Amino acid sequence: DAKTTQPNSMESNEEEPVHLPCNHSTISGTDYIHWYRQLPSQGPEYVIHGLTSNVNNRMASLAIAEDRKSSTLILHRATLRDAAVYYCILRDATSGTYKYIFGTGTRLKVLA
Amino acid sequence: GAGVSQSPRYKVAKRGQDVALRCDPISGHVSLFWYQQALGQGPEFLTYFQNEAQLDKSGLPSDRFFAERPEGSVSTLKIQRTQQEDSAVYLCASSPDGRDYEQYFGPGTRLTVT
Repeated sequence: DAKTTQPNSMESNEEEPVHLPCNHSTISGTDYIHWYRQLPSQGPEYVIHGLTSNVNNRMASLAIAEDRKSSTLILHRATLRDAAVYYCILRDATSGTYKYIFGTGTRLKVLA
Repeated sequence: GAGVSQSPRYKVAKRGQDVALRCDPISGHVSLFWYQQALGQGPEFLTYFQNEAQLDKSGLPSDRFFAERPEGSVSTLKIQRTQQEDSAVYLCASSPDGRDYEQYFGPGTRLTVT
């Protein structure tokens, strides 16, 4: 399974945009890029996913580099409720089990 | 609607005891996953079910770990003869059919082995 690299932690001010980077230089053509976040004492929750094109939803945007070796999760206006660990995960769409291989993620701290 | 539920939320076991952790997935979800999350780490895959069939158990750390989903709905993760290194949060997730759908996670069961 291809690996991802994320910074251990980041800080942001409330109501400012946040760009969370992820490197995945060994990504294969069939790997989807998934982002989950985990709030304290909760299970992970889905944020967004994409393959090649940039993606937007009500929670965030996902910007994928043209060579797909990196991606960036964008929270347009951080709130205190966005403080969480954010995981960037690659999943092979052709594999049989669809399991996620989590790394250690990026702990986002939002300052009031 | 109801999400994934897990019980108990907290479990303390003495070393050597057997424990059973329950997962109630979202109704109608075909795929069910178990993950183990040690303190300060990301979740690690344990096993995967498609309906009642256990298609992947490659992440189970030892033969003391056993999971079942006999009717393709509720799942139980059993750990026999618990050891201190089994202390972790055990997360269950379900998804409609596993393909590229998102996984919906439960709140987890925090197991502490003393």
